[in-house]
Amino acid sequence: QVQLVQSGPEVKKPGASVKVSCKASGYLFTDKFIHWVRQAPGQGLEWMGWVNPHTGDTEYSQRFQGRVTMTRDTSVSTAYMELSRLGSDDTALYHCATQSWWCFDHWGQGSLVTVSS
Amino acid sequence: EIVLTQSPGTLSLSPGERATLSCRASQSVDSRYLAWYQQKPGQAPRLLISGTSSRSTGVPDRFSGSGSGTDFTLTISRLEPEDFAVYYCQQYGSSPPYTFGQGTKLEIK
Repeated sequence: QVQLVQSGPEVKKPGASVKVSCKASGYLFTDKFIHWVRQAPGQGLEWMGWVNPHTGDTEYSQRFQGRVTMTRDTSVSTAYMELSRLGSDDTALYHCATQSWWCFDHWGQGSLVTVSS
Repeated sequence: EIVLTQSPGTLSLSPGERATLSCRASQSVDSRYLAWYQQKPGQAPRLLISGTSSRSTGVPDRFSGSGSGTDFTLTISRLEPEDFAVYYCQQYGSSPPYTFGQGTKLEIK
């Protein structure tokens, strides 16, 4: 079965960067786009962007353009999301998810990123 | 940007009752591109319905989706205790291509 296992919690200072990983299993890694969706504490879901594991192509939400980088390493079936210039409003649970048609069919457990001085 | 507005914000019902959740879009959404998710505390979202009305594998048939244009509905015909959760609608469009509603919390009355 499809599984997405994400890296553990991170605590970062304002202005720093964070890199979250998402290891996929149970399917051919290059077959499905991987998206990143974040959820601030007690809030809703916000789409950040996607990476095509086959080509490395990406698309980012304009809200994060210039601050986010999504990459992948096909040798270890892992996608990465790096967010720079962190502020307190970046404190959130960051999920990876696979795309099926025009929605997200499998989700990682989430990686908590806390930004605090 | 297509904004999705879900109503009500919170819905208080009892097990066995029928739940009707609304998702209204600021512009017309292709029905192929409208999905619903369920999220329980401490868990990742779970895809329930895609393409407005197609249930995902393993989703009970008490869940159904309908709608077109700017108005979409998720109906739970007879609530079970495990159905109390937060529900999100999501659409695929343009700039940004993917947006979510703010969620409806379905709580036990």
